[in-house]
Formats: sequence, structure tokens, C-alpha cells
Amino acid sequence: RKEVEQDPGPFNVPEGATVAFNCTYSNSASQSFFWYRQDCRKEPKLLMSVYSSGNEDGRFTAQLNRASQYISLLIRDSKLSDSATYLCVVNKPSGNTPLVFGKGTRLSVIA
Amino acid sequence: DAMVIQNPRYQVTQFGKPVTLSCSQTLNHNVMYWYQQKSSQAPKLLFHYYDKDFNNEADTPDNFQSRRPNTSFCFLDIRSPGLGDAAMYLCATSEESLAGGNDEQFFGPGTRLTVL
Repeated sequence: RKEVEQDPGPFNVPEGATVAFNCTYSNSASQSFFWYRQDCRKEPKLLMSVYSSGNEDGRFTAQLNRASQYISLLIRDSKLSDSATYLCVVNKPSGNTPLVFGKGTRLSVIA
Repeated sequence: DAMVIQNPRYQVTQFGKPVTLSCSQTLNHNVMYWYQQKSSQAPKLLFHYYDKDFNNEADTPDNFQSRRPNTSFCFLDIRSPGLGDAAMYLCATSEESLAGGNDEQFFGPGTRLTVL
């Protein structure tokens, strides 16, 4: 099982749609979880951290399911500007690598 | 604004010609990272510095070296670039505590390396 696994997409959705991404992780001892957004040819930027109790920021909701070892990102009322690649990031409690990045899920919001 | 700065933004080098990429930060973070990212792939960690302690990933080629002369600056040296080293190189910083867990990483805009 890969350390962090995401559906690469692309997810093509119309404006206003609700879209959800899942990400699975392999290390049950992981403690820190993030969603980053990366626009084409730009650097990743933190979208939101994912807390055990789940958290919401405007149209974005992140959830953590420790039992099944996945995190999710829900985007409501999609905007054209939401088009980007969404990277799932999980910490690795053992070994050198502090954070492990997924390959990302590509979202295209269409007018 | 506090930030992570990378220079140059675009670098062209010849096969086998050494190249140095630079990163500086005004965030005063204790950890600095270098990632390699190729098209449609996840950022791949090459190495990171926790203060002055260097941590190399097991699969980072010897061709890649790094220096961190002070808190603010970190350099990536590619001794003999090959065609396969063409990629975006991202520098990131974070403030980590020994207590564990990981905090947000702040990324620079990246240096896009072309090898001819």
C-alpha cells in the first residue's frame, strides 16, 4: 500500500457543484494531515489542516477518519478559481521524511 | 511580508555542468527542505535541515548536495546534472518542535531547471 494515495482525476465539474476527494494513508501512527492546493507551475500552498474533529473553512470541509485511515476534502459551490491540483499530505512519524505528499487530485471547474 | 524566496526562478544548464539553486527565508523557521517535483508527480523530498542537522533521504542521489550556512539560507548543489534532473525544485520551511507532530510547510515559488 502506498504511503499516501489519491485518485489523480481529473474531476471535471460544473460551477456550483459539490465535489469530494478522498485520500488514504498507510501509517496508522500519523498525526498531522493537510490539504495543499497547487496551481499549474506554481508552488503548493496550504489549503487547510485536517483536525480529528473535522474542520470547515467557508466552502471547504476536511474530515479525518482514523479507523479507515483516510482524509477527505469537500468543496461546495465550486468556483472556476477552484481549478487546481489538491495534494493530500500526511506526516510520517518514523524515519527521516517529515511529510509525505500524495500525487494530487486534479480538479477542473467548468463554466 | 515574511516569505520564502528562491533564485533564480528559471535555470538552464548544460548536461554535466554544476548548478546551484538558492533559497532564503524571512520566517526564521528552524527547518528548511528541498523537494524535486516533476510533471504530474508529488513533490519528492531530497533532504532537509533541522537547524544545522542535515537529513538526507535514502534515495537522494549523491549528485545532489546541500548547504545551510545560516538560518536564513539554504542551497541545493547539483554536481553533474543529467537530463533526468530537469524538474521544478521547491524550497520549503517550517517551524518544528521536538515534541513531535508537524506544522505547516511554507513553499517558495520554485526554480524550474532545464538541462540541455
